[in-house]
Amino acid sequence: EPEVTQTPSHQVTQMGQEVILRCVPISNHLYFYWYRQILGQKVEFLVSFYNNEISEKSEIFDDQFSVERPDGSNFTLKIRSTKLEDSAMYFCASSRSLNTEAFFGQGTRLTVV
Amino acid sequence: AQRVTQPEKLLSVFKGAPVELKCNYSYSGSPELFWYVQYSRQRLQLLLRHISRESIKGFTADLNKGETSFHLKKPFAQEEDSAMYYCALSAGAGSYQLTFGKGTKLSVIP
Repeated sequence: EPEVTQTPSHQVTQMGQEVILRCVPISNHLYFYWYRQILGQKVEFLVSFYNNEISEKSEIFDDQFSVERPDGSNFTLKIRSTKLEDSAMYFCASSRSLNTEAFFGQGTRLTVV
Repeated sequence: AQRVTQPEKLLSVFKGAPVELKCNYSYSGSPELFWYVQYSRQRLQLLLRHISRESIKGFTADLNKGETSFHLKKPFAQEEDSAMYYCALSAGAGSYQLTFGKGTKLSVIP
């Protein structure tokens, strides 16, 4: 069964460093998403992406964040200058269309020290 | 603003007992409601959505617009139901931005 794959599973980075989280969505899916979950808190929407552009983003997704689909398979989330409060589990998801199920990756745990 | 509330952090039931995981929401429009489940060491996966009106793994959920609730129910809990359950809301109308509740950990005692 096809799955959304995220790498790495755990990333430790120093405050102020740039980090790129990678995702390979399911191959025939057209909509891509990033969510995050700070430890003990809710899963929060960050951004959705369709047709090579952002379709929705939340207040969390400020200028420090960017997303890209650099080739036909990868979908990346970049945090330009990480802060301690960026430490969280980041989930990528993809769906075939807006009205179909979103499939989640297993997550990348980002720890900013 | 959209909000989803799951009042119970942890719910423990005995095997064979009925289960009800509570979810209340606030949204001014007509939302779509979902239940996601995360088994131990596994990824988040969709359990059911209100527009499907399905029963998945014996679970059902009915959208009650008057009470703004979408409680998840199962008549007889099984050990394999132990997991984290998240209620989520989407604004619909072309949006798949999900607003999640904090989750309820269901523990089924053998």
